[in-house]
Amino acid sequence: GENVEQHPSTLSVQEGDSAVIKCTYSDSASNYFPWYKQELGKGPQLIIDIRSNVGEKKDQRIAVTLNKTAKHFSLHITETQPEDSAVYFCAASIGSTSYGKLTFGQGTILTVHP
Amino acid sequence: EAQVTQNPRYLITVTGKKLTVTCSQNMNHEYMSWYRQDPGLGLRQIYYSMNVEVTDKGDVPEGYKVSRKEKRNFPLILESPSPNQTSLYFCASRPTGAGNTIYFGEGSWLTVV
Repeated sequence: GENVEQHPSTLSVQEGDSAVIKCTYSDSASNYFPWYKQELGKGPQLIIDIRSNVGEKKDQRIAVTLNKTAKHFSLHITETQPEDSAVYFCAASIGSTSYGKLTFGQGTILTVHP
Repeated sequence: EAQVTQNPRYLITVTGKKLTVTCSQNMNHEYMSWYRQDPGLGLRQIYYSMNVEVTDKGDVPEGYKVSRKEKRNFPLILESPSPNQTSLYFCASRPTGAGNTIYFGEGSWLTVV
């Protein structure tokens, strides 16, 4: 089955700096890659996603890049703010069936210091 | 408001005492799923359901049961809880179809002593 590795497990940055979280996946058939943000005491929420026919997607300060050849994808947060502090999860899904099971990475605890 | 509701949010129980965590969604989603979250392991799928009366095992189903008698409800049953089931549990739902956004509940903290 699919295996998703996420790094780093913790990331500490100063406000205004950029943050990058990387994930690798094992199954070349995976074609849907969402990122989730989990704030303290809450469930994960989708913040951005990318499909395998796209190399990069951007939404304001957040961007995701995908390298299908190398089987890795990354989340980029620019101009970080204290409210970006949270746990971030990447996931991969094989979208060829209606099931589309998501396999999650281990999570990254991002801390943005004011 | 579209939401996935879990209960209880916090529970401390003793080994062997059966418990049920309820999950309900108001979005008419076909697909529902349960995950557990443990430090360093991310979110692991326990069971999922593609529709009413259709359930299947995820990656870590041992010690758990589920049922899907109604579209909106997907309870998680621990028949004989053990300390290794101490975890944070999330219910989730989404429409059928690969790549659709999955919606998570707010989580249920379960401690088994």
